[in-house]
Amino acid sequence: EVQLVESGGGLVKPGGSLRLSCAASGFTFSSYSMNWVRQAPGKGLEWVSSISSSSSYIYYADSVKGRFTISRDNAKNSLYLQMNSLRAEDTAVYYCASPVYDYWGQGTLVTVSS
Amino acid sequence: QAVVTQEPSLTVSPGGTVTLTCGSSTGAVTSGHYPYWFQQKPGQAPRTLIYDTSNKHSWTPARFSGSLLGGKAALTLSGAQPEDEAEYYCLLSYSGARQVFGGGTKLTVL
Repeated sequence: EVQLVESGGGLVKPGGSLRLSCAASGFTFSSYSMNWVRQAPGKGLEWVSSISSSSSYIYYADSVKGRFTISRDNAKNSLYLQMNSLRAEDTAVYYCASPVYDYWGQGTLVTVSS
Repeated sequence: QAVVTQEPSLTVSPGGTVTLTCGSSTGAVTSGHYPYWFQQKPGQAPRTLIYDTSNKHSWTPARFSGSLLGGKAALTLSGAQPEDEAEYYCLLSYSGARQVFGGGTKLTVL
């Protein structure tokens, strides 16, 4: 059974940093690209970033470029999102998702507030 | 960055048919945008219904279908059920592998 489990969310002050993790199981993680998607409270979905299977190709939404860094450790079947210079508008539930979005995690809430 | 547009809300009668659309600010939506459609119910993660314009997952109810219609991606629900009441999002892919979600359509079955 495919499982994606996010962790690392929490409350952080504006300008702070947070690192999200996504533990994958039930499929050959190293063979697939992965995505981060977020959803602000009461709002729609927003694609954040994608990374190819070997980390050769990385893409970001304009809203996070230069502040967020996606990475992965195929040996640990894990996906990461390093979030720096956080702003109030980054407050959201962050989901990791499989390359064709057939599997999603349950999400982890990031709240940026003083 | 491209803007993807969806109807903010639609209402369909039980057993009725409704079409949700997904447009792009850059022009006509084509199969090259690899349109996805997602269903999201309150408190749940999104669930993919349609990928690559018209392909269904094993869990996609047969009453849902995807297509291209009039320069937009379309999701048609034929024979609406009360459990289909949800928020629906489309996703388009653009050059540079950037992806953009639409703002979502709140579908009411009433």
